[in-house]
Amino acid sequence: EAQVTQNPRYLITVTGKKLTVTCSQNMNHEYMSWYRQDPGLGLRQIYYSMNVEVTDKGDVPEGYKVSRKEKRNFPLILESPSPNQTSLYFCASSPYRTGFTYEQYFGPGTRLTVT
Amino acid sequence: DQQVKQNSPSLSVQEGRISILNCDYTNSMFDYFLWYKKYPAEGPTFLISISSIKDKNEDGRFTVFLNKSAKHLSLHIVPSQPGDSAVYFCAARGGATNKLIFGTGTLLAVQP
Repeated sequence: EAQVTQNPRYLITVTGKKLTVTCSQNMNHEYMSWYRQDPGLGLRQIYYSMNVEVTDKGDVPEGYKVSRKEKRNFPLILESPSPNQTSLYFCASSPYRTGFTYEQYFGPGTRLTVT
Repeated sequence: DQQVKQNSPSLSVQEGRISILNCDYTNSMFDYFLWYKKYPAEGPTFLISISSIKDKNEDGRFTVFLNKSAKHLSLHIVPSQPGDSAVYFCAARGGATNKLIFGTGTLLAVQP
């Protein structure tokens, strides 16, 4: 089954304790992205990657890191989480080819609470 | 500044009637628009899209209309069904990087 998986689905942590949220897709997509969803703000892009070893900042990258060492995986790293990073996080993927637009496929979400 | 706006946080309609969800945008450079549906505890799923060179796209019960001069798009669901109850996000593609800019969402409730 074609899908985007995220782990963990739920995480409660404390301020400053490094964490990683994993994202994996099995559709051989070039493009992957992380979003956060907050009430009244919709989904905002954190980071994206157009292919292996190619990453760039989205609209709200502060406090986050990403890496893309393999095509299928795109982990989101919070080196020193703070309470304002409490949010619902989504990973998404899609094919990528210049001049074409493809819909993005989303993972099920990770609910993160930082106390 | 919110470039994609959904001014109605919620909408309630009767089963069988038409649901109309609205979306406004500010950037005339957006060239592709998408609607996503989201159920609780799930990720958004793609519903329908439209290129800026078109003014209408239809897929079964779902039709998206684009009015470029007004920078407005709408999603029509006819007839509405209880299973359509979800949060609907409109999104616009912001340039060659495939970046999507999302609205804040509209919660649709279809009453049986």
